[in-house]
Amino acid sequence: AQTIHQWPVAEIKAVGSPLSLGCTIKGKSSPNLYWYWQATGGTLQQLFYSITVGQVESVVQLNLSASRPKDDQFILSTEKLLLSHSGFYLCAWTSAETLYFGSGTRLTVL
Amino acid sequence: GEKVEQHESTLSVREGDSAVINCTYTDTASSYFPWYKQEAGKSLHFVIDIRSNVDRKQSQRLIVLLDKKAKRFSLHITATQPEDSAIYFCAASPYTEGADRLTFGKGTQLIIQP
Repeated sequence: AQTIHQWPVAEIKAVGSPLSLGCTIKGKSSPNLYWYWQATGGTLQQLFYSITVGQVESVVQLNLSASRPKDDQFILSTEKLLLSHSGFYLCAWTSAETLYFGSGTRLTVL
Repeated sequence: GEKVEQHESTLSVREGDSAVINCTYTDTASSYFPWYKQEAGKSLHFVIDIRSNVDRKQSQRLIVLLDKKAKRFSLHITATQPEDSAIYFCAASPYTEGADRLTFGKGTQLIIQP
């Protein structure tokens, strides 16, 4: 069975500080991976997707970047956080025709 | 691009009654329509989906209806139970295979009253 692990579970960071969020998926070879963002009380916005190692497509510009250093790993980062980056970050992957989400990272930027 | 509108931001029903959540979409190319459930403070959990080659799909107490002409789809939860309380998100995608580039609605908070 496939498992998806996101880290950290939560972060409280200062404006202007760097950020790195991670996601690892096990039990699935060459998965399509995604980063989604959910503003507090809001809908979901797809940020990035990746279909293979080293290849990442940006869907929306939010002063964030993503990388896929390994087949099973997807990283979301920025060098300078903004207040507007606060929210819930979800890593996701597709199996056959369904999108499955990780448990998410709750980010608070102060 | 695709826009998905979820008409009810909050829906309150009595336990045992049915709940209906409605969504509309704009892109006639959309062909895949999943629904997700988000319990308080948690991630999203896939519940059911429908593709454009059918107009009805049922999984236990969940029924999804699709009206392609009206560009409308809906989630029906029958015999509601307390554990059905959550935020439900509808989504649409133009791809028949996979769930790439899903556009989500804003969510409907479903409250099940005792």
